[in-house]
Amino acid sequence: DIQMTQSPSSLSASVGDRVTITCRASQSISNSLNWYQQKPGKAPKLLIYAASSLQSGVPSSFSGSGSGTDFTLTISSLQPEDFATYYCQQSYSTPYTFGQGTKLEIK
Amino acid sequence: EVQLVESGGGLVQPGGSLRLSCAASGFTFSSYSMNWVRQAPGKGLEWVSYISSGSSAKYYADSVKGRFTISRDNAKDSLYLQMNSLRVEDTAVYYCARRGSYYESSGSRYYYYMDVWGKGTTVTVSS
Repeated sequence: DIQMTQSPSSLSASVGDRVTITCRASQSISNSLNWYQQKPGKAPKLLIYAASSLQSGVPSSFSGSGSGTDFTLTISSLQPEDFATYYCQQSYSTPYTFGQGTKLEIK
Repeated sequence: EVQLVESGGGLVQPGGSLRLSCAASGFTFSSYSMNWVRQAPGKGLEWVSYISSGSSAKYYADSVKGRFTISRDNAKDSLYLQMNSLRVEDTAVYYCARRGSYYESSGSRYYYYMDVWGKGTTVTVSS
């Protein structure tokens, strides 16, 4: 199975900050990497697919990059509604593993 | 509106069974592969199972293999998860999620993701 490791596990930031979350795969997954946002009590929401493609309706303040084993999710200017938990997920092969999540909190 | 609605969750004793359903609307259900994903209380997301659009391919997480069965009825726009021999560690919110796809012509390959999610149904396994 492909293991996905996110860092950091939690992050405190302020409105307007630029933040970056990293995700590392235990083996190469090409660009088969997706990012999701989840708020408490809600279903996950797709933000980025194929490592860098922005899902329709997602603000352009979100961006993704990387290939192979190392990936990043960047939020260029944090908004109040961006405080949530973020997950990476590989879709290269089953089982479709998720990272452990990064909880983004208000400083 | 594209929508997925799960149902069938509840409280069950260890060793018991439960059947989850996911009703799809607003899109051509028969054209999409589907997934089940779960989330234990206070924990992260765990992919559970996948089924192709025509049911020819089915995959399971090792944690549920041999106990859970995924199926679908395209005539009823519905996805199912039959859960047998339930364990305390199966306690979670269960989400159904549509598999979207993107074809990158430059690399001649498809990329897959879960682009539509239901709100989830809660399964509690406890004596």
